[in-house]
Amino acid sequence: GAVVSQHPSWVICKSGTSVKIECRSLDFQATTMFWYRQFPKQSLMLMATSNEGSKATYEQGVEKDKFLINHASLTLSTLTVTSAHPEDSSFYICSASPGVNEQFFGPGTRLTVL
Amino acid sequence: GEDVEQSLFLSVREGDSSVINCTYTDSSSTYLYWYKQEPGAGLQLLTYIFSNMDMKQDQRLTVLLNKKDKHLSLRIADTQTGDSAIYFCAESGGNTPLVFGKGTRLSVIA
Repeated sequence: GAVVSQHPSWVICKSGTSVKIECRSLDFQATTMFWYRQFPKQSLMLMATSNEGSKATYEQGVEKDKFLINHASLTLSTLTVTSAHPEDSSFYICSASPGVNEQFFGPGTRLTVL
Repeated sequence: GEDVEQSLFLSVREGDSSVINCTYTDSSSTYLYWYKQEPGAGLQLLTYIFSNMDMKQDQRLTVLLNKKDKHLSLRIADTQTGDSAIYFCAESGGNTPLVFGKGTRLSVIA
């Protein structure tokens, strides 16, 4: 149980295009989903926290107009990287929480912007 | 803000025990976690411990917590080549985002 999927797992896009990444909790309802970003050989940095049906809470330094987060249902959250640039290339990982104290991570999405 | 520190590298021989250490600064941390990340993959939760516990054992894994010193360790007994990965320590106050350390890269030598 407690499986979280991400789609796509790998995407290459041209600079200036937008990319949408989906995060799904497959066998549980996630009241909260988190989006993290991981640079090569570095730790995970929290980008934003999203609760179903409400606006996401962004961490300091994360542009909310660039990284659009939608948590439309208890099993789906999306992260859209708008007008992507090479510096946005990274590994994006989501996690989903069914309640207190537990977070289950997706397999990650590797974004490469040319 | 909260900070979690780990050593960056650890190398052990196959069959030996590995001990990965972590320190944290947030005294209100309620839960402390160990995650494993294999190359190119997401994170896999290995184990977690509540702050009111001193030790937790799960098969080859033993977690020790010294709350006074804010020190957490993960011991892997009989380390195998498949244990080679990056291990992240993380802390949380409950239903809050996790704060991660930078990760310890464990290399197991056959």
